[in-house]
Amino acid sequence: ELKVEQNPLFLSMQEGKNYTIYCNYSTTSDRLYWYRQDPGKSLESLFVLLSNGAVKQEGRLMASLDTKARLSTLHITAAVHDLSATYFCLETSGSRLTFGEGTQLTVNP
Amino acid sequence: EPEVTQTPSHQVTQMGQEVILRCVPISNHLYFYWYRQILGQKVEFLVSFYNNEISEKSEIFDDQFSVERPDGSNFTLKIRSTKLEDSAMYFCATRTGDSGANVLTFGAGSRLTVL
Repeated sequence: ELKVEQNPLFLSMQEGKNYTIYCNYSTTSDRLYWYRQDPGKSLESLFVLLSNGAVKQEGRLMASLDTKARLSTLHITAAVHDLSATYFCLETSGSRLTFGEGTQLTVNP
Repeated sequence: EPEVTQTPSHQVTQMGQEVILRCVPISNHLYFYWYRQILGQKVEFLVSFYNNEISEKSEIFDDQFSVERPDGSNFTLKIRSTKLEDSAMYFCATRTGDSGANVLTFGAGSRLTVL
């Protein structure tokens, strides 16, 4: 059974702080996605990580992939309120893409 | 920027009724998906579709569900006889191919409410 586990599931942090969201997955896939969802909205692509050791950065977010450990991380640097959302990782296996449970991030002023 | 378009945005139906949700994929995309998200819960895979046939389906996608691409543009999800527990947001997603950084692009979703 495909399993994608994120932690934490809920994260409340102060503006200006750093934190990391973890995504453990179960297959040997070498492709991992991160998406963002605002309340009541659709899913917006953040990163696609294609190989072991891949690191991508966009603004205050940086994602990395360790295929040997089957672990991806999403690091938040100097959080701002606009980053408040739910963040999902997705893994691929064949033609199925499986979501993690999501990490609901709240950044407090 | 190209978009995946879903209709209707919201549908309210009585239990036992048939519902068809429609999706217009991005024009050069070849792989199509349906996902659902029950309010406040995780996003669940329903089915993937390629080359006019189902590639993979989940345990949720039972005989009450079907997908087709009847006219080469719309990609539809049909629920034959809706149940209360089918109430959810249904997302269509599409992507280009199997290699490279082909991003899965999601539509805005169709909210289904079964009474």
